[in-house]
Amino acid sequence: EAQVTQNPRYLITVTGKKLTVTCSQNMNHEYMSWYRQDPGLGLRQIYYSMNVEVTDKGDVPEGYKVSRKEKRNFPLILESPSPNQTSLYFCASSLYGQSSYNEQFFGPGTRLTVL
Amino acid sequence: QKEVEQNSGPLSVPEGAIASLNCTYSDRGSQSFFWYRQYSGKSPELIMSIYSNGDKEDGRFTAQLNKASQYVSLLIRDSQPSDSATYLCAAPPYGQGGKLIFGQGTELSVKP
Repeated sequence: EAQVTQNPRYLITVTGKKLTVTCSQNMNHEYMSWYRQDPGLGLRQIYYSMNVEVTDKGDVPEGYKVSRKEKRNFPLILESPSPNQTSLYFCASSLYGQSSYNEQFFGPGTRLTVL
Repeated sequence: QKEVEQNSGPLSVPEGAIASLNCTYSDRGSQSFFWYRQYSGKSPELIMSIYSNGDKEDGRFTAQLNKASQYVSLLIRDSQPSDSATYLCAAPPYGQGGKLIFGQGTELSVKP
């Protein structure tokens, strides 16, 4: 089954404890992206990757890191999480990242709480 | 900051009616537009994409694009209670391939 998977689905952690949210897709997509969704603020893009070893900032990259060493994986790293990073996180992928073809498929989401 | 704007709703329509969802965008250079549906507690799901002026139909869904007015809409014909969800409009800024700006979404409620 073609899909984007994220792990963990739910995570409660404490301020400052490094964490990684994994994202994997099995569709051989070139493009992957991370979003966070907050009430009243909608979906906001954190980072995206047009291909292996190519990443770029979205609108809200502060406090996050990403890497794209393999085509199928795009982990999101929070080196020192803070309570304002409590949010619902989505990973997405698309076959191509160019704007006209950027039809994205979303993973199931990761609900993160930072205490 | 390029923006995509939608009325947050909620928009309430009776079953069988046409639901009309609207979206405006500030970047005149945006070339492609996407509509996503998001059920409560679930992830967004792509339902329509449109790239040129005019209408694009897919089943009960019709997307309409007017680049001169910087306006894109989604019509849902014969609305069903199962269409009750939040609908998100999205567009990439011109020249920034890879970026995608989402509107805040319109909550649609279809009453039986």
